Amino acid sequence: LAKTTQPISMDSYEGQEVNITCSHNNIATNDYITWYQQFPSQGPRFIIQGYKTKVTNEVASLFIPADRKSSTLSLPRVSLSDTAVYYCLVGAGTALIFGKGTTLSVSS
Amino acid sequence: EAGVAQSPRYKIIEKRQSVAFWCNPISGHATLYWYQQILGQGPKLLIQFQNNGVVDDSQLPKDRFSAERLKGVDSTLKIQPAKLEDSAVYLCASSAPGPRLYEQYFGPGTRLTVT
Repeated sequence: LAKTTQPISMDSYEGQEVNITCSHNNIATNDYITWYQQFPSQGPRFIIQGYKTKVTNEVASLFIPADRKSSTLSLPRVSLSDTAVYYCLVGAGTALIFGKGTTLSVSS
Repeated sequence: EAGVAQSPRYKIIEKRQSVAFWCNPISGHATLYWYQQILGQGPKLLIQFQNNGVVDDSQLPKDRFSAERLKGVDSTLKIQPAKLEDSAVYLCASSAPGPRLYEQYFGPGTRLTVT
């Protein structure tokens, strides 16, 4: 499974757009890129998944360049409630391997 | 739609004691997972079931951990005997068959403290 590298922490203010980049240089052809969000004292929650180009849902957008060696999770106009840990995962199957994630702190 | 249910939410035991956690997945979800999350780290997969069969238990410490999923619905994870390093949150997740199999739904977890 491809190893992922993402920033340990990020700070933002309410109303701003936040972009969290994940590096996965050894991604395999069959691998998908998946992002999860975790609030304190809760289990992770699925945000978005993509294979290439751009994927958008009601919560976020995922940008994947042509070489697929990195991906960027974009959260539009964050609020205080977006303060959480965000995990980038790469793999082809259902077995998820979580890293330490990126702790996003949103301030007013 | 009801989410993944877990009990108990909290458990404190002494080392060398035994403990069991229960999980009820979302109705219709054939795949069930148990994860261990140590403070400050991401969840680590312990075991994955497909219906009542084990798909992956490569990271389950089988000398002390056991899990079962009788009848392909509820599941129980047991630790016997517990060690101090087992202190963690134990998360259960489930996923539905079909194209969204990768989307896992997690329960609130059981926080275990071993003293």
